[in-house]
Amino acid sequence: AQSVAQPEDQVNVAEGNPLTVKCTYSVSGNPYLFWYVQYPNRGLQFLLKYITGDNLVKGSYGFEAEFNKSQTSFHLKKPSALVSDSALYFCAVRDILYGNNRLAFGKGNQVVVIP
Amino acid sequence: NAGVTQTPKFQVLKTGQSMTLQCAQDMNHNSMYWYRQDPGMGLRLIYYSASEGTTDKGEVPNGYNVSRLNKREFSLRLESAAPSQTSVYFCASSEALGTSGGNEQFFGPGTRLTVL
Repeated sequence: AQSVAQPEDQVNVAEGNPLTVKCTYSVSGNPYLFWYVQYPNRGLQFLLKYITGDNLVKGSYGFEAEFNKSQTSFHLKKPSALVSDSALYFCAVRDILYGNNRLAFGKGNQVVVIP
Repeated sequence: NAGVTQTPKFQVLKTGQSMTLQCAQDMNHNSMYWYRQDPGMGLRLIYYSASEGTTDKGEVPNGYNVSRLNKREFSLRLESAAPSQTSVYFCASSEALGTSGGNEQFFGPGTRLTVL
């Protein structure tokens, strides 16, 4: 079965510093990987995805993520964090062996950007 | 485009009451999903509908039923609500599998449900 681990409950970072949110995955076949962000009292918003091709994927709001097959990781990064980046971040994976579009989500990471 | 809409935004039920959560999308997506979000547990899939006329169970289907009314609408019904169903419920939709590979899901704003 497909699964995702987000090992840290909360990530604190000073404004202007680099931000990293970690994600590791487990699938039987090749993965499709996604990052979503959730602001308070809102639904999830899509940030970026890895399907195939370049391991470095660029997405919305200056975020990027690096796919590492050997480490089964897909960490989310931003070079310079903003206070407005404070939110809940979810990693998700779909195993292409499964004949549906079901995603497995991680538990989420709360990011707090300190002014 | 409104995207994915959900009604109601908030609801309080007593144990044993029933209710239906409504979801509609205007993106002409084939697939629709219902999730629940609980603190520290991420999102868990309740039911999904790969296309109009089909529905399948997800991780946590017990206590819920769904109806894919048409391509736009996918409702979630609680027949006899229990306190364990207190949660935030999200509906999502996506393109059908195969149209562009990994298809991201688009989420509604959520329904916050409390069962007393």
